[in-house]
Amino acid sequence: GAVVSQHPSRVICKSGTSVKIECRSLDFQATTMFWYRQFPKQSLMLMATSNEGSKATYEQGVEKDKFLINHASLTLSTLTVTSAHPEDSSFYICSAPSGERGGLYNEQFFGPGTRLTVL
Amino acid sequence: AQSVTQPDIHITVSEGASLELRCNYSYGATPYLFWYVQSPGQGLQLLLKYFSGDTLVQGIKGFEAEFKRSQSSFNLRKPSVHWSDAAEYFCAVGASWGGGNKLTFGTGTQLKVEL
Repeated sequence: GAVVSQHPSRVICKSGTSVKIECRSLDFQATTMFWYRQFPKQSLMLMATSNEGSKATYEQGVEKDKFLINHASLTLSTLTVTSAHPEDSSFYICSAPSGERGGLYNEQFFGPGTRLTVL
Repeated sequence: AQSVTQPDIHITVSEGASLELRCNYSYGATPYLFWYVQSPGQGLQLLLKYFSGDTLVQGIKGFEAEFKRSQSSFNLRKPSVHWSDAAEYFCAVGASWGGGNKLTFGTGTQLKVEL
């Protein structure tokens, strides 16, 4: 199957700093990528949909100025957590559907996740 | 809005025993249904999916699931569990959306396998 990578796998930062997380589709192009957040022992919550060449679409309750998303190429989306605080500590996961735009359904492939700890 | 319920937070089974993980969904149209497995340090891996057709779907690693519209359920089963099956399992429902697919996940079921 297709491979999605994330970098870094773990990051620890001080409160008030910004952290950038990269999501790459390694062997396919992804015009759309999804960003999820997962709290311990809880489900994945969709944060936003990243669209190549256009603005991201955020889910209700997600601060777009807090979580900046850039989808600059067909294989890379970045999530920047700005002015991070301890409550932003979480496991962030990206996914990318393969296949052509407009396909009936394109299987999503998930990255291994990034563990963010804000001190 | 779509939603998924996984009633069992934790399940423990003995190796070699059968397994059934429950999943109930709520969705206004024909759902796209999925089961994913999450192991520590690895991304979610798709076990199987249902879009239409035969309501009993076969997946990888010996898993199967049955779509029951009347019960709004999509339970995951395996006849004989292996110790390597210990992981977190997520049921998800998808809404067709252009070129992608927004997934709504259940809260997951943690499977423990006793040797």
